[in-house]
Amino acid sequence: DQQVKQNSPSLSVQEGRISILNCDYTNSMFDYFLWYKKYPAEGPTFLISISSIKDKNEDGRFTVFLNKSAKHLSLHIVPSQPGDSAVYFCAASVISFGNEKLTFGTGTRLTIIP
Amino acid sequence: DSGVTQTPKHLITATGQRVTLRCSPRSGDLSVYWYQQSLDQGLQFLIQYYNGEERAKGNILERFSAQQFPDLHSELNLSSLELGDSALYFCASSVGSRGGDTQYFGPGTRLTVL
Repeated sequence: DQQVKQNSPSLSVQEGRISILNCDYTNSMFDYFLWYKKYPAEGPTFLISISSIKDKNEDGRFTVFLNKSAKHLSLHIVPSQPGDSAVYFCAASVISFGNEKLTFGTGTRLTIIP
Repeated sequence: DSGVTQTPKHLITATGQRVTLRCSPRSGDLSVYWYQQSLDQGLQFLIQYYNGEERAKGNILERFSAQQFPDLHSELNLSSLELGDSALYFCASSVGSRGGDTQYFGPGTRLTVL
């Protein structure tokens, strides 16, 4: 049961344009969401997060939007740069009977075209 | 460099064998998390330790076990290895115990079971 889904395995965007990565979740108890970025041969690195009490969080070129009614999360990167080419994972957190864990999506490979 | 170290970087072994993966968290981080990433799969949470004690458990097989030592480094033991255990194994650390805390990932150990 994949509770966090990234339905687009890959995305190509022209340099300078906006990249939009999407993530859907099924568990309404998730209360914290994160995006991680992963380059080849490296571990994932934290990018940005959002609490379920907010609907938007911005950090420089990166903005995360949360639509709780739709159970949908998106990451906007603007303007996109070649260094943004990487695999992006969304993740969600919930406290369930004290056994809290982070559930990751399968990732979206973003390619920025110069 | 996340500050999280993992050894070895690569491991090739045969079915039925046992291996140990090692992780040293960032200085000051009390939580250690283990993840498995198989081909085309997202990061699957295996287990979390916080300050020496098991904190949360995910989809960890009974053949796998982990521990966190007094110096806070952690080891993941994989036994009776099967071909399907071939994957990237990541360790992450965070300051707090909450799964939603920013986690810093190591570079991973690539395990190949032949």
